[in-house]
Amino acid sequence: QVQLMESGGGLVKPGGSLRLSCAGSGFTFSDFYMTWVRQAPGKGLEWLSYISSSSSTIYYADSVKGRFTISRDNAEKSLYLQMNSLRAEDTAIYYCVRFRLNAFEMWGQGTMVTVSS
Amino acid sequence: QSALTQPASVSGSPGQSITISCTGTSRDVGGYNYVSWYQQHPGKTPKLMIYEVSNRPSGVSNRFSGSKSGNTASLTISGLQAEDEADYYCSSYTSSTTWVFGGGTKLTVL
Repeated sequence: QVQLMESGGGLVKPGGSLRLSCAGSGFTFSDFYMTWVRQAPGKGLEWLSYISSSSSTIYYADSVKGRFTISRDNAEKSLYLQMNSLRAEDTAIYYCVRFRLNAFEMWGQGTMVTVSS
Repeated sequence: QSALTQPASVSGSPGQSITISCTGTSRDVGGYNYVSWYQQHPGKTPKLMIYEVSNRPSGVSNRFSGSKSGNTASLTISGLQAEDEADYYCSSYTSSTTWVFGGGTKLTVL
């Protein structure tokens, strides 16, 4: 079964750090570009970051540039998001998304990150 | 990276057709044919409905169609059904090598 499974979310204090992981299964992970998208409670979708299949190309949204780092391990079929200097406004569900057809083709179930003191 | 502009809500009766607009600029919607649309039911994960302006992924009903004119993209749902009630988001690639979403549109089937 083709799926993406995120983990690593939780409660963190402002200024703290968290590392999200996403495990891909049922497909050749190394063939696909991957992205992170988040959704604050009751709000819309926000694209965060994008990484090419070989990690040679990486892009970030201005809102997270310099604080978040995307990476991947194709041997482990995993995608990561290192989040530093977290703020209250980073509170959201974080989705790992496979990128194909120039679109956000397949979404994981998401992991909740809450930034609060 | 301003969000694309969508109406907050639209509504229609079963069997009718509705259209959701998504307005950007020449630096995103108008500049690239990389507009996509997503359906999200409450508490569920978004689902890709349209990619590259007007293409449907396998398994998506042909009642869903997409188009673009200038800086505005549109999603049309024909033969509206109760199950279509959901939030819909557009997205576009931008000249800043980033991606941007619209604010979302809540579709109510009356």
